[in-house]
Amino acid sequence: GAVVSQHPSWVICKSGTSVKIECRSLDFQATTMFWYRQFPKQSLMLMATSNEGSKATYEQGVEKDKFLINHASLTLSTLTVTSAHPEDSSFYICSARPRTSSSYNEQFFGPGTRLTVL
Amino acid sequence: QKEVEQNSGPLSVPEGAIASLNCTYSDRVSQSFFWYRQYSGKSPELIMSIYSNGDKEDGRFTAQLNKASQYVSLLIRDSQPSDSATYLCAVKRGGGADGLTFGKGTHLIIQP
Repeated sequence: GAVVSQHPSWVICKSGTSVKIECRSLDFQATTMFWYRQFPKQSLMLMATSNEGSKATYEQGVEKDKFLINHASLTLSTLTVTSAHPEDSSFYICSARPRTSSSYNEQFFGPGTRLTVL
Repeated sequence: QKEVEQNSGPLSVPEGAIASLNCTYSDRVSQSFFWYRQYSGKSPELIMSIYSNGDKEDGRFTAQLNKASQYVSLLIRDSQPSDSATYLCAVKRGGGADGLTFGKGTHLIIQP
């Protein structure tokens, strides 16, 4: 149980284009999903918290107009990187917190999406 | 500023020995603590969670928490080469649905 998927697993795009990444909880409902970013040799940095049916909460320094988050259902959240630039190249990882969990605070991570912007 | 500090390593441990990983955190109101294992190019995998002071054991893994010292540790007994990975310490504030603050991770190498 508690499986989270991401699609695509990797993507290469040209500078200036937009890329959408999907995050799905496959066997549970997630009221809250989180988006993280990890640069090489660095740790995961929280970008935003996404709650189903409401606007995402962005961390300081993360541009909400550049990283668009939509949490349309209890099993799907999407991250769209708009007007991507080479410095946006990174490993994007989502996580989901089950709606009902004996371990309230646990988050389960998706496999990640490696974005390369040329 | 919420910070989580770990020694980046690499920490080299012979196979069969005990690996000891340490983590300190700066936010005193933190309530939940996690250890994740991350293989190169992969996403983190939850190893242990701990919420109260003391020890918590799960198989070969033992997490230790000391809130007064703002210190969390992970012990891996009978270390195996497959345990070689980067271990990330993560901290969550109490209440709400805050995301996790991660340390930079400790690179653990188990030598056969």
